[in-house]
Amino acid sequence: NAGVTQTPKFQVLKTGQSMTLQCAQDMNHEYMSWYRQDPGMGLRLIHYSVGAGITDQGEVPNGYNVSRSTTEDFPLRLLSAAPSQTSVYFCASSGDRGHSPLHFGNGTRLTVT
Amino acid sequence: GNSVTQMEGPVTLSEEAFLTINCTYTATGYPSLFWYVQYPGEGLQLLLKATKADDKGSNKGFEATYRKETTSFHLEKGSVQVSDSAVYFCALQRLTQGGSEKLVFGKGTKLTVNP
Repeated sequence: NAGVTQTPKFQVLKTGQSMTLQCAQDMNHEYMSWYRQDPGMGLRLIHYSVGAGITDQGEVPNGYNVSRSTTEDFPLRLLSAAPSQTSVYFCASSGDRGHSPLHFGNGTRLTVT
Repeated sequence: GNSVTQMEGPVTLSEEAFLTINCTYTATGYPSLFWYVQYPGEGLQLLLKATKADDKGSNKGFEATYRKETTSFHLEKGSVQVSDSAVYFCALQRLTQGGSEKLVFGKGTKLTVNP
């Protein structure tokens, strides 16, 4: 069982470049989400989706876009990278809403210079 | 709004010591409560959960009891091992009126266990 798969594991970008962080899950989960993890800040929600074709903003959505064309995939796009987006990004999914735990990927470490 | 407050780390213990990591929460309604663990270089993993008041979650020797009267969900383990060294996150989760999940994390507590 692969669970939640994130690619790439590491990425270095220059300011202004764009890129897409990939996330795929094979558990048929409806709910998927993206978090960023920064020292002393815990995890902050960027965007989430409750099903294919439905997305919504989280706590820190600026500078990021998402789409959900299939149940399995939930890519995160950085339109014009900034040094403030240097972080570790985690994708997570869950099945039933409300009381089910999240399954996390292993993260993407992004550095923007 | 909803929030989670964890004791600040880092916490350093010797092997076989008793562990407590405090967690208190503020929430409307009846949230579910979770402890997640993050080992170095990995994503978060569910450690244990409790979905209603007085529930006790347990796993791998760790325990936490959902205390509504004190709005707490403290993590405990009677005898820690070196392999328990990790960052621990307390979290609450509840449904919004629109039916979507809202998960709120604490800032994490880093635990180091020395042999």
